[in-house]
Amino acid sequence: QKEVEQDPGPLSVPEGAIVSLNCTYSNSAFQYFMWYRQYSRKGPELLMYTYSSGNKEDGRFTAQVDKSSKYISLFIRDSQPSDSATYLCALRGGSYIPTFGRGTSLIVHP
Amino acid sequence: DGGITQSPKYLFRKEGQNVTLSCEQNLNHDAMYWYRQDPGQGLRLIYYSQIVNDFQKGDIAEGYSVSREKKESFPLTVTSAQKNPTAFYLCASSPDTEAFFGQGTRLTVV
Repeated sequence: QKEVEQDPGPLSVPEGAIVSLNCTYSNSAFQYFMWYRQYSRKGPELLMYTYSSGNKEDGRFTAQVDKSSKYISLFIRDSQPSDSATYLCALRGGSYIPTFGRGTSLIVHP
Repeated sequence: DGGITQSPKYLFRKEGQNVTLSCEQNLNHDAMYWYRQDPGQGLRLIYYSQIVNDFQKGDIAEGYSVSREKKESFPLTVTSAQKNPTAFYLCASSPDTEAFFGQGTRLTVV
């Protein structure tokens, strides 16, 4: 079993939909949780960072962490075609090394 | 402008050649990382460095080498011992928790 599991998709939704992206993990030592957005042939861009259970909101994006279930989510409200990208979750424990999920490909069609 | 600069953006290597990928950051981050990204496989850690003059192997270090002579710079050399070097290479740096990425170098063996 991989440390971080993420469905690669693709996930295809209509414009305006609420998108839910998820990762599960097995290592309870993970304390820091990040979501990145990566456009094709570009480097990943940090979207959200949190270290506690519960929700963190930033504009149309909400990151949710449930440490008891070892489950993290990223919600995108009012999705736009420009949100079409690959979304990567990343988790970190006590070391400096983040562990990444495989990424979920999201397609928002007009 | 603070950030992480990778160069070149595209690189072509002949069989049997060594090539060096550049990574420079002006964010004053202590930790730096090199990842390799292949389609469908997510990010795999090649090497990382937490301080100057010190670096550690990641999960797929064979056929690669690095140096960390300056805080700002963490070049990656892809040696002829790397049997399948064609990939997208990403450099990242971190102050402590979240990581920030450069725009990547696409290496192709011709």
